[in-house]
Amino acid sequence: NAGVTQTPKFQVLKTGQSMTLQCAQDMNHNSMYWYRQDPGMGLRLIYYSASEGTTDKGEVPNGYNVSRLNKREFSLRLESAAPSQTSVYFCASSADASSYNSPLHFGNGTRLTVT
Amino acid sequence: DQQVKQNSPSLSVQEGRISILNCDYTNSMFDYFLWYKKYPAEGPTFLISISSIKDKNEDGRFTVFLNKSAKHLSLHIVPSQPGDSAVYFCAASAQVSGTYKYIFGTGTRLKVLA
Repeated sequence: NAGVTQTPKFQVLKTGQSMTLQCAQDMNHNSMYWYRQDPGMGLRLIYYSASEGTTDKGEVPNGYNVSRLNKREFSLRLESAAPSQTSVYFCASSADASSYNSPLHFGNGTRLTVT
Repeated sequence: DQQVKQNSPSLSVQEGRISILNCDYTNSMFDYFLWYKKYPAEGPTFLISISSIKDKNEDGRFTVFLNKSAKHLSLHIVPSQPGDSAVYFCAASAQVSGTYKYIFGTGTRLKVLA
């Protein structure tokens, strides 16, 4: 019962480097999300994909791109990392973003440090 | 401007007593509220939810209360156990352009003392 799997668990980047965070879910959920968690800020939505083939911006999309590769996989790309992107990144999925009674299920996070 | 606020960053409670975690929101369009629990180095785990048409929802030791007029919800844990020690996030959602978006509070760290 893996649920939502994120890779890598930890990553250190230098300013200007690029990387892709991977996320996969095995719950047959339609909707997937990327959040970042910073001290004192709670969880903030970066991008989401309500269904396969669609992606939309959340609260803090600048500096990121996403790809919904298929129903299972949703990746987050940092094209040119900046120290302000140092954070813990969580991927989540839900059965259906158009339904109110559809809680988010989270992965265990990727801790990213940009120096 | 924070739409969902958890004003207590931390709370300590004796084992066996009641833990009460509070959350306030500002947007009257929110119609579904959730509580998540988070242990260190893990992702948040869904705990309990309540829709805006109810004022109480109970699941075992966990009860969520919603006061719409005050725009306030609370999570009661009775009795508290050491394993409940974690960070608790409240979240609120509203439908925007056909999609439910979730806004999270900043979390309350609960410590249950044995």
